Amino acid sequence: GDSVTQMEGPVTLSEEAFLTINCTYTATGYPSLFWYVQYPGEGLQLLLKATKADDKGSNKGFEATYRKETTSFHLEKGSVQVSDSAVYFCALSDSHRDDKIIFGKGTRLHILP
Amino acid sequence: EADIYQTPRYLVIGTGKKITLECSQTMGHDKMYWYQQDPGMELHLIHYSYGVNSTEKGDLSSESTVSRIRTEHFPLTLESARPSHTSQYLCASSVTLGVAGGGPSGANVLTFGAGSRLTVL
Repeated sequence: GDSVTQMEGPVTLSEEAFLTINCTYTATGYPSLFWYVQYPGEGLQLLLKATKADDKGSNKGFEATYRKETTSFHLEKGSVQVSDSAVYFCALSDSHRDDKIIFGKGTRLHILP
Repeated sequence: EADIYQTPRYLVIGTGKKITLECSQTMGHDKMYWYQQDPGMELHLIHYSYGVNSTEKGDLSSESTVSRIRTEHFPLTLESARPSHTSQYLCASSVTLGVAGGGPSGANVLTFGAGSRLTVL
């Protein structure tokens, strides 16, 4: 079945460092790909998405490109801030199948001032 | 603004008590979900509904039950709480593809509530 694998955390970086959180997926169809973020004490919220190959999703300085050839959707940010400290989830859904959302296990990010 | 509300946000109860976690959304979404989030952060789908009077069990077996009598309301009930039920419960909703708000992209985007943290002593 479909699955999502993302790098394990925690990831600890200094403020203004470059961030990459790796995410790869397995899917038999043509999924949409997402990154969700969960700040402390809150539910998840959509950070960005891409619905077809080579699409780039972007929001709040974060970017991810849908790479069909490598089945990847890595999250990047050029200069992180303390306020980016959160848990990040990679996810997919396939609208041509049951449309169920499949989440990765989450990556906790700590940004040090 | 998120338009999905969960109550209570925090609940501490004794073993054997019956509890209901409330979830309401004002967006008219037809799909609703309950996730259980373990301390390691991983999300487990325990129930979902694709419309009124439609409920399904998710990927993780759960002793809880749900109902969907109204579009906007999707409560989760534990008849007899146990310490193993201690967890964070997240409710979410999404719109069916092709319905206004779902967008031409066809992506099934979830909107989450803030969560209900349950502790059973």
